[in-house]
Amino acid sequence: RKEVEQDPGPFNVPEGATVAFNCTYSNSASQSFFWYRQDCRKEPKLLMSVYSSGNEDGRFTAQLNRASQYISLLIRDSKLSDSATYLCVVNKAAGNKLTFGGGTRVLVKP
Amino acid sequence: GAVVSQHPSRVICKSGTSVKIECRSLDFQATTMFWYRQFPKQSLMLMATSNEGSKATYEQGVEKDKFLINHASLTLSTLTVTSAHPEDSSFYICSAREPPDTQYFGPGTRLTVL
Repeated sequence: RKEVEQDPGPFNVPEGATVAFNCTYSNSASQSFFWYRQDCRKEPKLLMSVYSSGNEDGRFTAQLNRASQYISLLIRDSKLSDSATYLCVVNKAAGNKLTFGGGTRVLVKP
Repeated sequence: GAVVSQHPSRVICKSGTSVKIECRSLDFQATTMFWYRQFPKQSLMLMATSNEGSKATYEQGVEKDKFLINHASLTLSTLTVTSAHPEDSSFYICSAREPPDTQYFGPGTRLTVL
């Protein structure tokens, strides 16, 4: 079983719609969680950290469920520019190396 | 967010040559940097952890004599691919850790070995 698993997609989303997807992690000792966004042939860029109480940044909402060991990302009012691969990233301990999921591809269409 | 630069952005070389890639953190000091490799349609795979002033820690299956890492200062880490071969062609990405545990990525270096 992979340490971090994601549905690869693609999620085809009409412009303006809401899309949500999850990521599961296997190590219950994981401490930090992030969502990164990666565009084709570009480097990953930090989208948002994920906090225990859940957090929101504009149209993006992240949730953490420690009991079930998953995190989620919800995108509201999808824009064409939201089309990208979203990487779920988990850190076992402060300063430790990150473990990446395989990414979930989102395609927003007019 | 923090800025990490990487140079060169693209390199094409002949088989058997060595290629050096630089990674710099521009607005913070990074005691730890990471080197990743990404093949087409695959996720990032960690190659090694680079610690300032000490030897790098390599992931299982990564040859330390082939991928030389030097982290001589708090803002610069270098990866040298020695005796490159076509199978080394990939997208190499570095990241720098801003304490406590947020990583910012460089723009990547696309290596093509002919």
